[in-house]
Amino acid sequence: SQQGEEDPQALSIQEGENATMNCSYKTSINNLQWYRQNSGRGLVHLILIRSNEREKHSGRLRVTLDTSKKSSSLLITASRAADTASYFCATGRYGGATNKLIFGTGTLLAVQP
Amino acid sequence: ETGVTQTPRHLVMGMTNKKSLKCEQHLGHNAMYWYKQSAKKPLELMFVYSLEERVENNSVPSRFSPECPNSSHLFLHLHTLQPEDSALYLCASSQERRESLGSPLHFGNGTRLTVT
Repeated sequence: SQQGEEDPQALSIQEGENATMNCSYKTSINNLQWYRQNSGRGLVHLILIRSNEREKHSGRLRVTLDTSKKSSSLLITASRAADTASYFCATGRYGGATNKLIFGTGTLLAVQP
Repeated sequence: ETGVTQTPRHLVMGMTNKKSLKCEQHLGHNAMYWYKQSAKKPLELMFVYSLEERVENNSVPSRFSPECPNSSHLFLHLHTLQPEDSALYLCASSQERRESLGSPLHFGNGTRLTVT
């Protein structure tokens, strides 16, 4: 299975601290994406990193990808209470006309004010 | 407003009922997806309609039947469901190109289904 697995399953930090979440996967991929989900809502796309990229930034988000270790990390800097949510990685392996994204079980992040 | 609208938001149905979930995307995308989200489990890809190709997860029971009449609308027809089918059903869309190395998905807020 190419399923991503996030680590840790849950993370609790104080506002202002950095939060790091990791994702490991098993098979070759052509892209890896991170999503966020607030309770009872749909997933929101955060960032996409392609297999030929090693690092990407978007605002307070920094994503790294190490294809040799089949792992990725998501760093949220200077966290805010509003960052409280579940975070998912999803691995993509383009097959024909279909972008099949396989999701992990997610990391539940709680940012305490 | 997410650009992807799902109705209804909540649905309670008995095991003998027939119901349908509806999804509409206003983003001009050419691919649509159904995902199932159960507690403590990864999101499960159920069906994909992309560039006129339909892909399905072979582990999805036949009591779930998708329909995609055009690139903006997607339905999931439900019949004789089981209690373990209770979950959040998420619709998503994306803009796909054959030469692309992946595109982001845009999700709706889901339909919370309870089977009694």
